[in-house]
Amino acid sequence: DVKVTQSSRYLVKRTGEKVFLECVQDMDHENMFWYRQDPGLGLRLIYFSYDVKMKEKGDIPEGYSVSREKKERFSLILESASTNQTSMYLCASSLGGRVGYTFGSGTRLTVV
Amino acid sequence: AQSVTQLDSQVPVFEEAPVELRCNYSSSVSVYLFWYVQYPNQGLQLLLKYLSGSTLVKGINGFEAEFNKSQTSFHLRKPSVHISDTAEYFCAVSDLQGAQKLVFGQGTRLTINP
Repeated sequence: DVKVTQSSRYLVKRTGEKVFLECVQDMDHENMFWYRQDPGLGLRLIYFSYDVKMKEKGDIPEGYSVSREKKERFSLILESASTNQTSMYLCASSLGGRVGYTFGSGTRLTVV
Repeated sequence: AQSVTQLDSQVPVFEEAPVELRCNYSSSVSVYLFWYVQYPNQGLQLLLKYLSGSTLVKGINGFEAEFNKSQTSFHLRKPSVHISDTAEYFCAVSDLQGAQKLVFGQGTRLTINP
């Protein structure tokens, strides 16, 4: 089975800090995605990447950036964390739309 | 662009009762349709998907869903639920081209009461 690993399960950061969320997949998938999950809002797409060094903005990219230097790793960066970025962050990878996504377990980030 | 509406934010049912979780979507192009389940403190797991062909699709854990193109719906059903089905359920769509991003609904929290 494809495995998507998010490096941290829980994180607490201070306002203004630069925060890195790491995601690694082990099945050579081209497509990788970062979502944030908030109650009542479902999952909203922040950024995605369909190849190494390629990235595209999703629906809510403001305040975030991403890095994909290697195919298996997709990092989400909060340039200057703010309290409204307190959320659950989910990484996913995919071989293609017909297959669906494989999700990591999520990182619950609290910004204080 | 696609959008997904899950008509119920919470659905409480008794154990062994049937359940239906409703999902409607909007899209100007053909789409793939998915249901995902999220158990407490876990990521999302694929429950079932509709790609083409038969409009009734069966998934894991006894769930099934029916694609209705005229009503743009993809409702999830289970004839008899168990306590272990307590979870949040997400309906999602993706287009057939490009990066095939998933667009999710707001989620439905299914609570099973003994």
